[in-house]
Amino acid sequence: EVQLLESGGGLVQPGESLRLSCGASGFTFSSHAMSWVRQAPGEGLEWVSGISGSGDSTYYADSVKGRFTISRDNPKNTLYLQMNSLRAEDAAIYHCAKQSRAAAGNPFGLQAWGQGTLVTVSS
Amino acid sequence: DVVMTQSPLSLPVTLGQPASISCRSSQSLVYSDGNTYLNWFQQRPGQSPRRLIYQVSKRDSGVPERFSGSGSGTDFTLKISRVEAEDVGVYYCMQGTHWPPTFGQGTKLEIK
Repeated sequence: EVQLLESGGGLVQPGESLRLSCGASGFTFSSHAMSWVRQAPGEGLEWVSGISGSGDSTYYADSVKGRFTISRDNPKNTLYLQMNSLRAEDAAIYHCAKQSRAAAGNPFGLQAWGQGTLVTVSS
Repeated sequence: DVVMTQSPLSLPVTLGQPASISCRSSQSLVYSDGNTYLNWFQQRPGQSPRRLIYQVSKRDSGVPERFSGSGSGTDFTLKISRVEAEDVGVYYCMQGTHWPPTFGQGTKLEIK
């Protein structure tokens, strides 16, 4: 059974940084691209960032480009999201998600999601 | 970005009755390989999203047969043949044909 467990969320002030982690199990981690998708309170879903199975290719939404960095450690089956210069509009539940293929770009598909970790940005 | 427009946004349904959710895209979702990368997700209250349907009409493992997807080009539909209490939640369509991937606003299904 695929399991994705996020951690690292919390309350930060605008301009501060946070690092999210996602531990994966139940599948061959390096064979699948991974993504972060966020959901602001009471809002819909927004794809944030993706990384190929090998970690060689990364992609970002325009809203986070230059501030967020996605990475992965395949031997540790762990996905990361380094979030810098956080803004109020970054506040959301951040889900990690398993993609259908090793390549991170399109065509794009999400097979499974974690429960998410809550990021709150407030002064 | 491709805009995904769902309707209705709120869907009250009587138990045992059918339900239908529409999803329209601002561009055709046919990819260069001939496939159409349109997915449907269910998010039950307090839970993470779960994929129900991929490539328009392929049901994921473990998804009840009462869920079906159809459509082509820019116009897609998720149908539930007979709504059960466990179907309450928000349903999202998502396109994976064009970059970046984008989601519909969500349709909240509730029991009347």
